[in-house]
Amino acid sequence: QKEVEQNSGPLSVPEGAIASLNCTYSDRGSQSFFWYRQYSGKSPELIMFIYSNGDKEDGRFTAQLNKASQYVSLLIRDSQPSDSATYLCAVKTPPTLTFGKGTMLLVSP
Amino acid sequence: DTGVSQNPRHKITKRGQNVTFRCDPISEHNRLYWYRQTLGQGPEFLTYFQNEAQLEKSRLLSDRFSAERPKGSFSTLEIQRTEQGDSAMYLCASSSTQGNTGELFFGEGSRLTVL
Repeated sequence: QKEVEQNSGPLSVPEGAIASLNCTYSDRGSQSFFWYRQYSGKSPELIMFIYSNGDKEDGRFTAQLNKASQYVSLLIRDSQPSDSATYLCAVKTPPTLTFGKGTMLLVSP
Repeated sequence: DTGVSQNPRHKITKRGQNVTFRCDPISEHNRLYWYRQTLGQGPEFLTYFQNEAQLEKSRLLSDRFSAERPKGSFSTLEIQRTEQGDSAMYLCASSSTQGNTGELFFGEGSRLTVL
């Protein structure tokens, strides 16, 4: 069974700090990786996706992928209280996505 | 583009009753997915359609669950003889095979509480 593992947290960081969220996956053949944000009681919304090894930056967010280590991470710079949410890592397992359990991030003012 | 629409947003029912949820995907999307999410868990795949064809079903989808997408547009998910373990958020998502990045677009979900 293809698995996606995340630390459930909560990860607590002060406002303005860098939050680092990590994810590992079991299927070495996986090619596409996604980070979704989910506020309490709401549906997941896509933050960014990454296909290639290395870093991909979008505003305050940076996704990092290391296929050899089967590891994906999301860095959030200058964390804001509004970033407090659960962050879901997802791996494409065609034709759908397999999600981790999510990491809860708490950003304190 | 009005996004993925789901209704009802909330449903409270008694054990043993049948419930039905509806999902209207983004209009140009030909793929439609149903997921279930319980507290503290990520979304778990239930089933997916490409156009009107149901192409894959998870082992989570017991025989009390049935999903349809009769005209390749909206979809329904019916749960018969509900059990307390069915209490969850049922999420619908859609995507397109055209220029597909793999992203799924989620609706707001239908929360089911079985008493």
